[in-house]
Amino acid sequence: NAGVTQTPKFQVLKTGQSMTLQCAQDMNHEYMSWYRQDPGMGLRLIHYSVGAGITDQGEVPNGYNVSRSTTEDFPLRLLSAAPSQTSVYFCASRGSGRDQPQHFGDGTRLSIL
Amino acid sequence: KQEVTQIPAALSVPEGENLVLNCSFTDSAIYNLQWFRQDPGKGLTSLLLIQSSQREQTSGRLNASLDKSSGRSTLYIAASQPGDSATYLCAVRQAGTALIFGKGTTLSVSS
Repeated sequence: NAGVTQTPKFQVLKTGQSMTLQCAQDMNHEYMSWYRQDPGMGLRLIHYSVGAGITDQGEVPNGYNVSRSTTEDFPLRLLSAAPSQTSVYFCASRGSGRDQPQHFGDGTRLSIL
Repeated sequence: KQEVTQIPAALSVPEGENLVLNCSFTDSAIYNLQWFRQDPGKGLTSLLLIQSSQREQTSGRLNASLDKSSGRSTLYIAASQPGDSATYLCAVRQAGTALIFGKGTTLSVSS
């Protein structure tokens, strides 16, 4: 019963590098989202998807890309990493019903040097 | 724009005490409110979800209440234990899809 799985757990990048944070869920959830968590800022929504082939921007989308080719996977791409993107990234999913609870992965801790 | 506030930001109590964590929100047009627990270096674990039509939800020693009209929710923890030490986050869901989070209350329970 894996739930929401994020890889990698830790990553260090140099400014300007690109990378993809992976997220997979095995609960057949339609809705998936990415948040970043920063001290003093709380959790902020980056991008979300309401189903395969459908994505939209959240509160802080700049510098990030997403795609949703399958129900299970929702990768987050950093196009050209910047120190301001140092953060903890969480992927979440939930079912399509109005009162379905949100499930979170364990996070990816990303440092940009 | 919906804003979610949690006060206090930090709380320290001795073991065995009953305690209340507070969450307030500015727009009462919500679908539901969810309480989460986050341990250091870990992800978020869902504790309770209260639908907008409900007044409270209970799970073990936890009881969450919702007063939508006043924009308030409380999380009551009975007989606190050191294992309850964590950060507690509340989040509201409105029309659309995203959760809007408060910044959390960090609880420390000493033995």
